Amino acid sequence: DTGVSQDPRHKITKRGQNVTFRCDPISEHNRLYWYRQTLGQGPEFLTYFQNEAQLEKSRLLSNRFSAERPKGSFSTLEIQRTEQGDSAMYLCASSYQGGNQPQHFGDGTRLSIL
Amino acid sequence: SQELEQSPQSLIVQEGKNLTINCTSSKTLYGLYWYKQKYGEGLIFLMMLQKGGEEKSHEKITAKLDEKKQQSSLHITASQPSHAGIYLCGAAPDDNYGQNFVFGPGTRLSVLP
Repeated sequence: DTGVSQDPRHKITKRGQNVTFRCDPISEHNRLYWYRQTLGQGPEFLTYFQNEAQLEKSRLLSNRFSAERPKGSFSTLEIQRTEQGDSAMYLCASSYQGGNQPQHFGDGTRLSIL
Repeated sequence: SQELEQSPQSLIVQEGKNLTINCTSSKTLYGLYWYKQKYGEGLIFLMMLQKGGEEKSHEKITAKLDEKKQQSSLHITASQPSHAGIYLCGAAPDDNYGQNFVFGPGTRLSVLP
């Protein structure tokens, strides 16, 4: 049983650099979600896809953040010109479409900005 | 926008003791989800509640949703060190379950052997 996979697990970069994270969802799931989680807080919704369509992106934190899911399978989250405040855990989740299907999460990518 | 509050913020119990964690919403819940998270890892889905008055159990964990669908509780019976972690409630703000899903801040549980 393959769960949600995220790569890399940890990323350390200098301020101003661009970073890209990858998420491979559970293969049968057509919905994919991105969240950000800071220490001591619950995950904060960023965006989600249904197949290749990005249905909600108004919650992305700034125009430096962008996400893609070009073939409706894996997804990438890119942060351009990183800032200190971008340091956080970035979580990906996937689910079946429709109704109240629970989201299943990967182990996240921890981003540290020097 | 919908907000979720959790209480207590943290909890330390002796192994074998029972405990309850609460999740309160500012608006009616369309679906309430409980997750567990270990430090530095992703969230593990525990249970989902949708109907007012609904109650579900899995092993020693029981979750309930009140009739008004604005509050949920998670009860652990005879706690074990394996129950330690952060418990998070999450909710769909409307019947479009994918959009703008929100989480509470979490309750950190420690179980002393």
